[in-house]
Amino acid sequence: NAGVTQTPKFQVLKTGQSMTLQCAQDMNHNSMYWYRQDPGMGLRLIYYSASEGTTDKGEVPNGYNVSRLNKREFSLRLESAAPSQTSVYFCASSAGDSGANVLTFGAGSRLTVL
Amino acid sequence: GEDVEQSLFLSVREGDSSVINCTYTDSSSTYLYWYKQEPGAGLQLLTYIFSNMDMKQDQRLTVLLNKKDKHLSLRIADTQTGDSAIYFCAENKLSFGAGTTVTVRA
Repeated sequence: NAGVTQTPKFQVLKTGQSMTLQCAQDMNHNSMYWYRQDPGMGLRLIYYSASEGTTDKGEVPNGYNVSRLNKREFSLRLESAAPSQTSVYFCASSAGDSGANVLTFGAGSRLTVL
Repeated sequence: GEDVEQSLFLSVREGDSSVINCTYTDSSSTYLYWYKQEPGAGLQLLTYIFSNMDMKQDQRLTVLLNKKDKHLSLRIADTQTGDSAIYFCAENKLSFGAGTTVTVRA
């Protein structure tokens, strides 16, 4: 039972570099999410995908792009990294059907932008 | 996010009860959630409550919901060292509070 798997776990970038964070879930969930976690600010939603083929902006989408590659995978791309994007990134998924929208989270990816 | 507010820190003695409070703004939330984050890990669901309920009990956990005041609380009875973690309140629009860091002291 892998649940939600994120890679890489750690990454250091220089300002202006690009990278993609990968996320995959094996629970046949419809919905997937990317959050960032910063001290004192909790989790903020960057983008989400309610179902395969759709993506929507969350609270803090600027500087990021996403791709829902298929039902299992949802990637987050930083085209030109900035120090303000230093954070811990969490991918999550949920069944996305009616009822309680319980999220299952990955272990996180710690990104440092110098 | 700013839609959900929590106090940032709570220190409690082992064996005592912990109470973590949360206020939210979206009165249309049909469910409200509590998640727990242990060091270096992602969040895990602790419990959730349907909006037409006032209280939900699950072993050592008691959730109280006051819809009129948009106030949610989580009580942990007989707090143990393993309960040391960050606790997040969340509402249906996927907004999370900043998290309450609970430290259990011997």
